Amino acid sequence: GAGVSQSPSNKVTEKGKDVELRCDPISGHTALYWYRQRLGQGLEFLIYFQGNSAPDKSGLPSDRFSAERTGESVSTLTIQRTQQEDSAVYLCASSDYDQPQHFGDGTRLSIL
Amino acid sequence: AQSVTQPDIHITVSEGASLELRCNYSYGATPYLFWYVQSPGQGLQLLLKYFSGDTLVQGIKGFEAEFKRSQSSFNLRKPSVHWSDAAEYFCAVAFSGAGSYQLTFGKGTKLSVIP
Repeated sequence: GAGVSQSPSNKVTEKGKDVELRCDPISGHTALYWYRQRLGQGLEFLIYFQGNSAPDKSGLPSDRFSAERTGESVSTLTIQRTQQEDSAVYLCASSDYDQPQHFGDGTRLSIL
Repeated sequence: AQSVTQPDIHITVSEGASLELRCNYSYGATPYLFWYVQSPGQGLQLLLKYFSGDTLVQGIKGFEAEFKRSQSSFNLRKPSVHWSDAAEYFCAVAFSGAGSYQLTFGKGTKLSVIP
């Protein structure tokens, strides 16, 4: 597709369960970003991948959060032992080097 | 620390009226500046960006923004608002490159449009 694709679009799960969120970046984009958007808030940076370099994980809020990316393709964000405060929209973006970021439509995560 | 402030949480304007959304940043040097729009249930769409050069930049959907270094501001404007402009608008800055992962976002301004 032409844009950043995220799945699922919505996810409802029980507290304590693990969840996996997926991001398909724009083909050819070397950089991939994950953000969290809590209700009424701006975007919080979580993690950044650039090519084959080690990712910048400085924005991950706890060790329950992790992300992987295979080469310059798909990325998955995993949240283990989910808590209610993890409820948010998780946005993925990709960019070509030194170009503005293009965003997906996000995954709305609700923790019951 | 770098920060971005959007002072207006919610603005309501009538269709056809002019619009200005405020954005201020704090940083010692000139950042890269962006405005994004987010419609309900959707991701962010880039409206316009400023990297260097002419301080008045034109974007999509008839929006423009002006960078004022002396005021550390990058306000978004539109001369005549359409009902379809109702959305949330985010100002963002990057301090170390246009594609920098260190994008810092404001908390957003929600725009409502009265028919």
